Amino acid sequence: QVTLKESGPALVKPTQTLTLTCTFSGFSLSTSGMRVNWIRQPPGKALEWLARIDWDDDTFYSTSLKTRLTISKDTSKNQVVLTMTNMDPVDTATYYCARCKVAGGDAFDIWGQGTMVTVSS
Amino acid sequence: QSVLTQPPSVSGAPGQRVTISCTGSSSNIGAYYDVHWYQQLPGTTPHLLLYGNGDRPSGVPDRFSGSQSGTSASLAITGLQAEDEADYYCQSYDSSLSGYVFGSGTKVTVL
Repeated sequence: QVTLKESGPALVKPTQTLTLTCTFSGFSLSTSGMRVNWIRQPPGKALEWLARIDWDDDTFYSTSLKTRLTISKDTSKNQVVLTMTNMDPVDTATYYCARCKVAGGDAFDIWGQGTMVTVSS
Repeated sequence: QSVLTQPPSVSGAPGQRVTISCTGSSSNIGAYYDVHWYQQLPGTTPHLLLYGNGDRPSGVPDRFSGSQSGTSASLAITGLQAEDEADYYCQSYDSSLSGYVFGSGTKVTVL
């Protein structure tokens, strides 16, 4: 059974750096074709893709947020970490990690439960 | 501002057929990138509803179907049921942005 779970602070202050961890099981991010993404959803708004890391360590970022994001992985721990710098109240959202596979057409087939992050002083 | 445009809401009576459009451009849907659809029930996590050429993951009823033409895609729900009340999102890849893009989301209401 494939599962993903996000963890991180529920509250951060403006200008701080957010660090989120996605811990997964049921697959290996060293397997060819596997990818893990971060996606967020502000309250009452649409989904927004943020970043992706691949089995071969390739990384990809949202053009609009590229300068603030860093995604990395620890294959031995089955974890993917996202850092977002210079947090602002508009970054208040539920943050999800989700798997996709090259063989699956890059559809986000399994999602974590999400973690709500509020940015406020 | 979402790259893919969806109607904010659609509604239908139980048993009816509703469709949700997803309009993109030549750098995403029009470039033949796959379109995927997600269902987000109230207060829950999105989950994959349709992928690729309208394929359904295990457990998704065949009342849900998808199609794609030109720079648009659509999701159809036939035999609408109360449990289908949810938000629906389309998603694709955009070559100009070098990343994934989501639709603006459509709320389906069962009258």
